[in-house]
Amino acid sequence: DIQMTQSPSSLSASVGDRVTITCRASDTVNNYLNWYQQKPGKAPDLLMYAASSLQSGVPSRFSGSGSETNFTLTIRSLQPEDFATYYCQQTYITPWTFGQGTKVDIK
Amino acid sequence: QVQLVQSGAEVKTPGASMKVSCKPSGYTFTGFFIHWVRQAPGQGLEWMGRINPNTADTTLSQKFQGRVTLTRVTAITTFYMEVTGLTSEDTAVYYCARSHGARKLDYWGQGTLLTVSS
Repeated sequence: DIQMTQSPSSLSASVGDRVTITCRASDTVNNYLNWYQQKPGKAPDLLMYAASSLQSGVPSRFSGSGSETNFTLTIRSLQPEDFATYYCQQTYITPWTFGQGTKVDIK
Repeated sequence: QVQLVQSGAEVKTPGASMKVSCKPSGYTFTGFFIHWVRQAPGQGLEWMGRINPNTADTTLSQKFQGRVTLTRVTAITTFYMEVTGLTSEDTAVYYCARSHGARKLDYWGQGTLLTVSS
């Protein structure tokens, strides 16, 4: 199985901050890398797919980059509704594994 | 609008089985794979497997092979996931989600909480 490792596991930030979360794969996933946002008690929401494509309806302050084994999710200017947990997921090879998550909370 | 509606919460005893349903609407039933993902309390997301709605072919994570069965009933446009031999480690929220050809899980069910307790 491909292991996905996110860093950091958690971070504290303020509204307006630029936030960067990284995701590293144990083997190449090409660009089959998605990012999800999850709020407590809710199902995950798709933010980015294919590493850098913004899902319809997602604000443009979210962006993604990377390829092969190293990927980044950036939130350009953190908004109050962005405090949540973020997961990366590779969909290159089954099982479609997730990272362990990055919790973004208020500083 | 696209929706995936799952069956309600379940409480089971160790060794029992459980079957969760997922009923999609707002799109063509046979057009998208359905995946199952679970999340133990306070933990991350774990992909369990997927089913092809056209052929009923399934792909399961090795961890769940032999204990999880994915099915669909086209006549009532509903998907099912059955888990046998439950233990306390199966206590989790179970989600169904739709995958697009671009290999993304773009719509999710609301989740079904399974509690396994004696």
